[in-house]
Amino acid sequence: AQSVAQPEDQVNVAEGNPLTVKCTYSVSGNPYLFWYVQYPNRGLQFLLKYITGDNLVKGSYGFEAEFNKSQTSFHLKKPSALVSDSALYFCALRPNAGKSTFGDGTTLTVKP
Amino acid sequence: EAQVTQNPRYLITVTGKKLTVTCSQNMNHEYMSWYRQDPGLGLRQIYYSMNVEVTDKGDVPEGYKVSRKEKRNFPLILESPSPNQTSLYFCASSPLNTEDGQFFGPGTRLTVL
Repeated sequence: AQSVAQPEDQVNVAEGNPLTVKCTYSVSGNPYLFWYVQYPNRGLQFLLKYITGDNLVKGSYGFEAEFNKSQTSFHLKKPSALVSDSALYFCALRPNAGKSTFGDGTTLTVKP
Repeated sequence: EAQVTQNPRYLITVTGKKLTVTCSQNMNHEYMSWYRQDPGLGLRQIYYSMNVEVTDKGDVPEGYKVSRKEKRNFPLILESPSPNQTSLYFCASSPLNTEDGQFFGPGTRLTVL
């Protein structure tokens, strides 16, 4: 069975500070991992992915994520948060063409 | 413009009255999927399809049906809706390659009274 955990329901940071949104996973197959963002009253938007290669992947809007196989983690990061980054973030696992498993989501609030 | 469209966007109905939520994509994607989003439960996959006439169950398929007669359309059918199906529903599509992120529709908010 595959699973994704986002241990924090809410993350609060001040604008200009670095942010981290945590994700851990469990899968027996390929750890194809994704981050999505959801703004209020909108669908999810793809941010970035890890498939193979460099453990640090870069995505949209200045976000990056660090894959750590030994800790089975895929944390989302940004060096300097913006108020406009405030949204709901989902980590997802898609080890094969069919099933996708999403975490419960983390609400990021960036305060001015 | 590449997009996934869903209709209706909002729907209030009563228990037992059959309904269909349509989903259409214009990107020629092989893969399509339905999810429901509930507070504290994240997104849970209902059904997915890897091509025309090929569908399979996700994690929460009970009470739902789907069909994939055309590549661009993937309707979600609730034959006899119940209040526990009140939720926010998302359709998504992607190429079949697992390395690609999914494109999501805007969502359908369903209330079953």
